[in-house]
Amino acid sequence: EIVLTQSPGTLSLSPGERATLSCRASQSVSSSYLAWYQQKPGQAPRLLIYGASSRATGIPDRFSGSGSGTDFTLTITRLEPEDFAVYYCQQFGTSPRTFGQGTKLEIK
Amino acid sequence: QVQLQESGPGLVRPSETLSLTCTVSGGSISRHHWNWIRQPPGKGLEWIGYVYYSGITDYNPSLKSRITISLDTSKNQFSLTLTSVTAADTAVYYCARLTCWGCGFDYWGQGTLVTVSS
Repeated sequence: EIVLTQSPGTLSLSPGERATLSCRASQSVSSSYLAWYQQKPGQAPRLLIYGASSRATGIPDRFSGSGSGTDFTLTITRLEPEDFAVYYCQQFGTSPRTFGQGTKLEIK
Repeated sequence: QVQLQESGPGLVRPSETLSLTCTVSGGSISRHHWNWIRQPPGKGLEWIGYVYYSGITDYNPSLKSRITISLDTSKNQFSLTLTSVTAADTAVYYCARLTCWGCGFDYWGQGTLVTVSS
C-alpha cells in the first residue's frame, strides 16, 4: 500500500498570502495518477487537480500542482477567504487508491 | 450535469449489514468507475472500492472480506454492502465517479452519515 504523508498538518496564513502544501509518497507514484481535493465542513471533497498538475473544470488559476515520483506540491497563490479548508492528495496508480491524511489551511 | 445521491439507513446495529445505494442522474452508469469512499467523523478519507461498468471490482484490502459493490444498470445505480459492522464503520459514506485513472474523482454525492450503534 502506498502511504501518502501530507505536511504540514495545519497551515496558518492570511488572505493574500501564498500557500504551499506537500504530499510525499512512500513509493513512486506516476504523475498521471495523483490528484488533489479541497473539502469544506459539511461538504463532499471537490476535485482541484488531476494528473498532478492539471486543473479540474472551473478551478481558478491561483491553484496549481506540481511534482513527480514521491514528492508533490499544491500551491495556492493569493489566498482568498473561500480557500480556507482541508486539502487531500490521492494516488490512483496502485490499489488501494490511498488518500493523504489532509492539511488544514486556516486563517491566521 | 451529472449528479450522485447516496441513500440508505442512517443507523445500523453492530454485527449487522450496512447497505447503501448511489443513484446517478444526468449521465449513464454504463461507463466509468463508480466508487465508494468513507470518512469517520473528524477524520480523513478512506477509499473503499469501485465497480467498473463492466462489472469488474476492486476493493480496499482492509475491507475486502466484508464488502460488495455492485451495479444496477436498469436503475442507473450502484450499491455498497458492508457486513459485520462495528462502531469503527461509523462514517460519512460518499459515492464518486472516476472517468479515467488520471482524471480524479470528478463528481461526488453529498454523503450520508451511517452510525453503527445498538
